[in-house]
Amino acid sequence: SAVISQKPSRDICQRGTSLTIQCQVDSQVTMMFWYRQQPGQSLTLIATANQGSEATYESGFVIDKFPISRPNLTFSTLTVSNMSPEDSSIYLCSERLAGAYNEQFFGPGTRLTVL
Amino acid sequence: SQQGEEDPQALSIQEGENATMNCSYKTSINNLQWYRQNSGRGLVHLILIRSNEREKHSGRLRVTLDTSKKSSSLLITASRAADTASYFCATNSGNTPLVFGKGTRLSVIA
Repeated sequence: SAVISQKPSRDICQRGTSLTIQCQVDSQVTMMFWYRQQPGQSLTLIATANQGSEATYESGFVIDKFPISRPNLTFSTLTVSNMSPEDSSIYLCSERLAGAYNEQFFGPGTRLTVL
Repeated sequence: SQQGEEDPQALSIQEGENATMNCSYKTSINNLQWYRQNSGRGLVHLILIRSNEREKHSGRLRVTLDTSKKSSSLLITASRAADTASYFCATNSGNTPLVFGKGTRLSVIA
């Protein structure tokens, strides 16, 4: 499996500001995803990060609020824009190789608190 | 939205006992994966079971899959305090992203 790192590991932000989270994978992977985990909840998929093109967002998530970039096969960013306290969550980057039976791995997560 | 449900939502056992967690899902799948998460940290991948497999073992872990009932179970034998965590099942079909269940919070009391 690839080793996944995320920066920052945690942050405390003010309402109305934006935060960009970086995800680095140490080998070329086909598929990268961003998930959100609200306090005490399970993981919800935000979007699939597509290399060189616009991300594919899940219902309830929009590009203006969560812009995503993936300039190459090993790096992606997620921005949480115009934050409110409801955005306080853990944001996790995830990767796997294409194929029906490949394991999917997760980064350590970014714990975001919005005041 | 979540693909399925885990039960129980919370489980508390004594060290040395076995812990069984169940997962149900709604649509056809290619594989089902189990993860562990300690105190809101990153997810640790435990095991993947393919749709054409019925049982899989890894150390103290045993996973079963019943595609006719759209359910899976995770058994942790001889539990330890360090097994205290939240456990999630997740499924996908083809190249779709994983969809997660709600998770089971396991507490192992020493």
